Amino acid sequence: DTAVSQTPKYLVTQMGNDKSIKCEQNLGHDTMYWYKQDSKKFLKIMFSYNNKELIINETVPNRFSPKSPDKAHLNLHINSLELGDSAVYFCASSTRTVGGMGTQYFGPGTRLLVL
Amino acid sequence: SQQGEEDPQALSIQEGENATMNCSYKTSINNLQWYRQNSGRGLVHLILIRSNEREKHSGRLRVTLDTSKKSSSLLITASRAADTASYFCATDGPRNTNAGKSTFGDGTTLTVKP
Repeated sequence: DTAVSQTPKYLVTQMGNDKSIKCEQNLGHDTMYWYKQDSKKFLKIMFSYNNKELIINETVPNRFSPKSPDKAHLNLHINSLELGDSAVYFCASSTRTVGGMGTQYFGPGTRLLVL
Repeated sequence: SQQGEEDPQALSIQEGENATMNCSYKTSINNLQWYRQNSGRGLVHLILIRSNEREKHSGRLRVTLDTSKKSSSLLITASRAADTASYFCATDGPRNTNAGKSTFGDGTTLTVKP
């Protein structure tokens, strides 16, 4: 059973296009995340949702808009794609625990290439 | 500098040797976690150590935490070719808050030669 799944796995598109990446988790977690991993493997958090409510927004350009229709899904829509958006985007989920972050479970990643 | 910096950036060893990776961070933390990422895959959680713990073991993994030095180390004993991957530490905090945000280090790329 896939715990955290993302679609599509690969996405090649032209500059200026709008695209969406979908994420679903079947772990019953209440918190979901989007991370961006650049070519140097640096992993940076973009957004976090807890029970469909945005709790972290890390100064990401407003071309990126997350949407959480329910707590098992967190989608990422990107408008007007730029070359610098090329990266691997990871979705993750976790429980919220008293005394710090719980274990995060990551999806397989979506490799976005903007031409 | 980034919260959660690992060193070395790259490590190459022979199968059977031990591998040690270090992580340093800047702010107080609630806990620190180590993750592994195989090439082309997502991150997989290895071990979590809380700020009031000093050492933790899981199979061939040993993690230490020194909050006075704001550093942690991950030791993999008797390494195998399958341990080849990138290893990341992730910190959350500041301590006694529930900010719900992990900050990942830059990672150490480990290559284990058969």
